[in-house]
Parts: sequence; C-alpha cells; structure tokens
Amino acid sequence: QMQLVESGGGVVQPGRSLRLSCAASGFTLSNYAMHWVRQAPGKGLEWVALISFDGGNEYYADSVKGRFTVSRDNSKNTLYLQMNSLRVEDTAVYYCGKDGGGPNYHLESWGQGTLVTVSS
Amino acid sequence: SYELTQPPSVSVSPGQTARITCSGDALPKKYAYWYQQKSGQAPVLVIYEDTKRPSGIPERFSGSSSGTMATLTISGAQVEDEADYYCYSTDSSNHHTGVFGTGTKVTVL
Repeated sequence: QMQLVESGGGVVQPGRSLRLSCAASGFTLSNYAMHWVRQAPGKGLEWVALISFDGGNEYYADSVKGRFTVSRDNSKNTLYLQMNSLRVEDTAVYYCGKDGGGPNYHLESWGQGTLVTVSS
Repeated sequence: SYELTQPPSVSVSPGQTARITCSGDALPKKYAYWYQQKSGQAPVLVIYEDTKRPSGIPERFSGSSSGTMATLTISGAQVEDEADYYCYSTDSSNHHTGVFGTGTKVTVL
C-alpha cells in the first residue's frame, strides 16, 4: 500500500533553517515527480514546489523561490524540502505528494503533513 | 500571478445536488482537478482531468468544464461529504507551476 510520511517539522525562529523529509513506500519513487504543498492555519492550500522524477528539474512558487530547495534521494525513497531564511508567514502544515502523471502535473496522493511553526 | 476563484461556501440538504465552481483564465487550455479535505485530514483527489473519477470515489462526484469555468457536482450529497473542496490547475504559460483555488466549504444539513 502506497504511503507518504512527512517528518522534520517543529518550531523555529525567523531567519533560521529547517529540513523536511518525506519517506515513500509502496511504490517506486524514482518513477514519479513529487510535490510539496502547504496550508497555513485556517487557510487554503498553497502549492510550493515540484521536482522531476530524476531530480533534474525543480520548480517553485514565487513565495518561496530562492529560499526553499526541493531535492530527492531515490535510493533512500525520500523527498526533502530545505527551508532557509524562514519567515513567520511560512508557518503551515507541509504536505508531500506523489504526482499523478498525465497531461498536467497534479497531486494524486498526499501524506498526512508535518507542522512548521516559525516564531520568535 | 495566476488565480483560481471559488465561492467561499455552498450549503445543501442531504440528498440534494451541490455544485462548486472554479473560474480561471487558463481553464480552456488546462485541466482542472478537485480535492476534498475533511477537517483535520489531508486532501483527497476526487476528480482529475476535468471529468475523471479515481477508483474508490463515489459516483455521486462528477466534474465538468466549459470555457473558463470548471464545476464539481455532488449529486445526492451525503452528510459525510461535508468538507472543504479545492480546485487545482496549472498556469497556461508555465505548466510546472501549480495553483489551488480559493476553496469552498460545503455544508450538508
């Protein structure tokens, strides 16, 4: 059974860094592009980043471009999100998601999320 | 930046039909996807490529798209369908960049 499990969330001060991980199981990670999406408390969903199946291409929302980096280690079945220069407005639940393929990139399956709180 | 607009809320009685719209300039060229998010849970894909339903999603969920508007229809809404619903698509000029709609709270009572 396919599963995605995020970890690495926590409380961090503004300006500091944090790295999230997403462990994949039940499918071959190297066959799929992967996404990160976030949801601020009480707010809607915000797409954050996409990485191609082999890690060769990365794409970001304007709100995180230059501060966040998505990467993957297919040999470890793990996706990462390195978050630098964190801001209070980055406070959110962060979800990783498996791309569904087809004509448009989209999330087919989601993890349960990990909460990141940026606060002094 | 590209935006997808949804009504903030929709209310229906059990057994009635709920329709949720999603408006975006690129929708004539790009597919719409729909996600259901129940309170405290991760989102679940309920419609993909405008009209297709993933396995395990009840037949009462259907999708359509015409021009700049996509629509999610819940025919014969059940109490368990009460949730937030989000449309999703990509910008016509950058198909790698995802965009979620503003979200619609569906109340069934």
